[in-house]
Amino acid sequence: KAGVTQTPRYLIKTRGQQVTLSCSPISGHRSVSWYQQTPGQGLQFLFEYFSETQRNKGNFPGRFSGRQFSNSRSEMNVSTLELGDSALYLCASSLVIGEQYFGPGTRLTVT
Amino acid sequence: AQTVTQSQPEMSVQEAETVTLSCTYDTSESNYYLFWYKQPPSRQMILVIRQEAYKQQNATENRFSVNFQKAAKSFSLKISDSQLGDTAMYFCAFMKITGANSKLTFGKGITLSVRP
Repeated sequence: KAGVTQTPRYLIKTRGQQVTLSCSPISGHRSVSWYQQTPGQGLQFLFEYFSETQRNKGNFPGRFSGRQFSNSRSEMNVSTLELGDSALYLCASSLVIGEQYFGPGTRLTVT
Repeated sequence: AQTVTQSQPEMSVQEAETVTLSCTYDTSESNYYLFWYKQPPSRQMILVIRQEAYKQQNATENRFSVNFQKAAKSFSLKISDSQLGDTAMYFCAFMKITGANSKLTFGKGITLSVRP
């Protein structure tokens, strides 16, 4: 079974732009979670989607948003990019509570 | 809110030896999961081991085992017969068990280096 895939793997954007990252979960998994990883703040939970509904949200500004499609694929969007948004964005999918499988991440650099 | 603390930023171990990574957590929940994840230089987050808080028996996975002390809120990872491929960052993580929640709370991580 294919693992979690994330596209693109690397991205360079300019301050003020917006960006969309994509995550395809493992087949059959309906829950997708997003995390931001930075050297300073570590790994922080962004949000979780289940059956196209956001059911949990972390403490991030409204510039960070997401959605999930009927095939469970998820996207996250960051608008008005800031230098501090430079990070590794990780997506994880799960079938049952207590199991999360991570994708390889998208490395976002904001210049 | 839950917190996870990994107080050692770095550790080093000789190949084939045993190393223990420490983790403490704070929560008012009685039912939860604890995890150790490994993140090698490729940045892929890999699940090493999982412990369910209601199970008293410590989880083991091949060379990896945990020492789960629920009253002390301690969850350490022991790696036996360390291998060069164990070189990575290791994160301790907490997940509370509710009806609809998959949020992981991570510690800051520890960088483990295995010396040949």
